[in-house]
Amino acid sequence: AQKITQTQPGMFVQEKEAVTLDCTYDTSDQSYGLFWYKQPSSGEMIFLIYQGSYDEQNATEGRYSLNFQKARKSANLVISASQLGDSAMYFCAMREPGMGQFYFGTGTSLTVIP
Amino acid sequence: DTGVSQDPRHKITKRGQNVTFRCDPISEHNRLYWYRQTLGQGPEFLTYFQNEAQLEKSRLLSDRFSAERPKGSFSTLEIQRTEQGDSAMYLCASSPLGDSYEQYFGPGTRLTVT
Repeated sequence: AQKITQTQPGMFVQEKEAVTLDCTYDTSDQSYGLFWYKQPSSGEMIFLIYQGSYDEQNATEGRYSLNFQKARKSANLVISASQLGDSAMYFCAMREPGMGQFYFGTGTSLTVIP
Repeated sequence: DTGVSQDPRHKITKRGQNVTFRCDPISEHNRLYWYRQTLGQGPEFLTYFQNEAQLEKSRLLSDRFSAERPKGSFSTLEIQRTEQGDSAMYLCASSPLGDSYEQYFGPGTRLTVT
């Protein structure tokens, strides 16, 4: 079974609008970490935001926030006030406790329209 | 420290040849990871080191792939008898110990097997 599912292959958003990128995950562990990365066309993976499974509050980092719904096993990324530079691939990832590897989803391609 | 570096950035090789890639992690990071990424997909885990010990290796990883981290610093990934299906971006990442830390990615090595 897929550990991370991103069901939106491509998304479009108007500049200055907010956008939500979906991510659901599958784990039987109670303790885990959820991450979002951005990959521009240049190829580098840029860390955006982290949410621990025991964190009571949703994580926020500047214009990025993570809408964490533990019962639904979802960890959606919300980007507020979209900018043209936000156009990129976005990957959701999960790490289970004691495991070295991250499990990545297939990504969502976000295009910001001027 | 300027981050994770990888060398070479691009490699073109003929089928059947051996190739070796190098990754230099952030100096204080104990953990080092190798991923493979093909077009339109998220990074796929290959292997993981903690210091010089190789702790995890993907079951999908062919015997043609081998990785080392001899002194717990830089790492090499070797692919023997390359096949066209090995064409991909090979990403290296490093992180400190601890499950809440994100991975810092290098720029990747793009391999093309002709």
